Amino acid sequence: EADIYQTPRYLVIGTGKKITLECSQTMGHDKMYWYQQDPGMELHLIHYSYGVNSTEKGDLSSESTVSRIRTEHFPLTLESARPSHTSQYLCASSEPAGETQYFGPGTRLLVL
Amino acid sequence: KNQVEQSPQSLIILEGKNCTLQCNYTVSPFSNLRWYKQDTGRGPVSLTIMTFSENTKSNGRYTATLDADTKQSSLHITASQLSDSASYICVVSDRGSTLGRLYFGRGTQLTVWP
Repeated sequence: EADIYQTPRYLVIGTGKKITLECSQTMGHDKMYWYQQDPGMELHLIHYSYGVNSTEKGDLSSESTVSRIRTEHFPLTLESARPSHTSQYLCASSEPAGETQYFGPGTRLLVL
Repeated sequence: KNQVEQSPQSLIILEGKNCTLQCNYTVSPFSNLRWYKQDTGRGPVSLTIMTFSENTKSNGRYTATLDADTKQSSLHITASQLSDSASYICVVSDRGSTLGRLYFGRGTQLTVWP
C-alpha cells in the first residue's frame, strides 16, 4: 500500500468557489503528478513536478494551478470552480527513476 | 499520436473462471508497459511492469505478456475472485522523456459474479 494521501475524498461545491485539493506522500519521492479522470476514460496528466519549486503543465490543459513548496506536499488549486471541472482528480508520486507511479485514492469533485 | 487501446471495454465472468484482457499500443519509442488495477473509488495500483526484453511476467494469479514486435500485451487472470472486480488499465511509457511520460488506456471494466 502506497503512502500517498488525498483530501478531501469527495467535494461538492458551487460555481465560482475557490478550492484546494490536497496531496501528500511520505515516501520522499521527488516526482509528483496530478491526473484528471472522467468515468470510463483514460487518465490525463494535468500537472507534474520534478521536486521542490518545480511545477510543469501536463498534456491536458487545465485551469488549475499547483505548488511544490515541500517535497511531501503537492496541492492543486482551482481559483473559480465551474461545472466543467467536475471530475476525479488523482495524485501520484514516483521515485527518481520514475518507473512506477504510486497513486492516491483520488478526489471526486462535483461543481454545481 | 501515441495511443493505447484496450479490449474489451467491459467483461463479466463467473467466479473461478479465467479471462484475458488485451492491450494494443502505438507508443514509440517504447520503454515499458504496465498493467494497473483500479478499484472503484480508488487510485490505480501497479500489477506488473515489463520492459522491451521481457515477454511474460507474473504476479500471483495475474500473468502479463508482451509482444514488442506486434505492440500487443495481454493480462491473464486465473481462477478469478470477487475481489478481481475492477478496472484494469494498460499504461505504456515512452523512452524519449526524462519524465517517463505515461500513456494510459481507458481500461477494461471487469466484473466477477459469484
